[in-house]
Amino acid sequence: GNSVTQMEGPVTLSEEAFLTINCTYTATGYPSLFWYVQYPGEGLQLLLKATKADDKGSNKGFEATYRKETTSFHLEKGSVQVSDSAVYFCALNGNQFYFGTGTSLTVIP
Amino acid sequence: NAGVTQTPKFQVLKTGQSMTLQCAQDMNHNSMYWYRQDPGMGLRLIYYSASEGTTDKGEVPNGYNVSRLNKREFSLRLESAAPSQTSVYFCASRSRAPEEKLFFGSGTQLSVL
Repeated sequence: GNSVTQMEGPVTLSEEAFLTINCTYTATGYPSLFWYVQYPGEGLQLLLKATKADDKGSNKGFEATYRKETTSFHLEKGSVQVSDSAVYFCALNGNQFYFGTGTSLTVIP
Repeated sequence: NAGVTQTPKFQVLKTGQSMTLQCAQDMNHNSMYWYRQDPGMGLRLIYYSASEGTTDKGEVPNGYNVSRLNKREFSLRLESAAPSQTSVYFCASRSRAPEEKLFFGSGTQLSVL
């Protein structure tokens, strides 16, 4: 079946630090992969997506590459800001969307 | 440019009470979803509707019912609330292929005492 496993948090980083949040997946077929972000008190918003192997999704300085050989879609950002503090969800789209458990990120000045 | 609108934002119920969570989208999407979000468990699918007139169970449907009233509206009903249903509930709709992106409402925080 389909499932997503992502790195547990919480993660606390200093401003301008490098961020990696790991995500691996199990899927039948060739799903699209997503990162969603949830700011406090809000619903989830799409951060980036990739639809096929070796695609790189990017947005707001965040990047993730669809790695079929390692079934991974790790989220990275070279220099985080306080405004990046949020919960990040990895997801895949098979016949439905499947979400990871979420990783809370706090960036301190 | 409302997107997905959910009401209410907050609700407190006593065990055994009933209530309906309302959701509407103005993007002409066919597919709509109800999720619950619990600490350490991420988002779990309760029910979904692939199109007007159809509904299907998701991962955790017990204790809930849904109605797809028309293309815009998809409501979630708790007939007899239980403390285990204390959660944050999100409605979402999905755009068509090839984009297939989920759009979320801002959530309903429900406490059942």
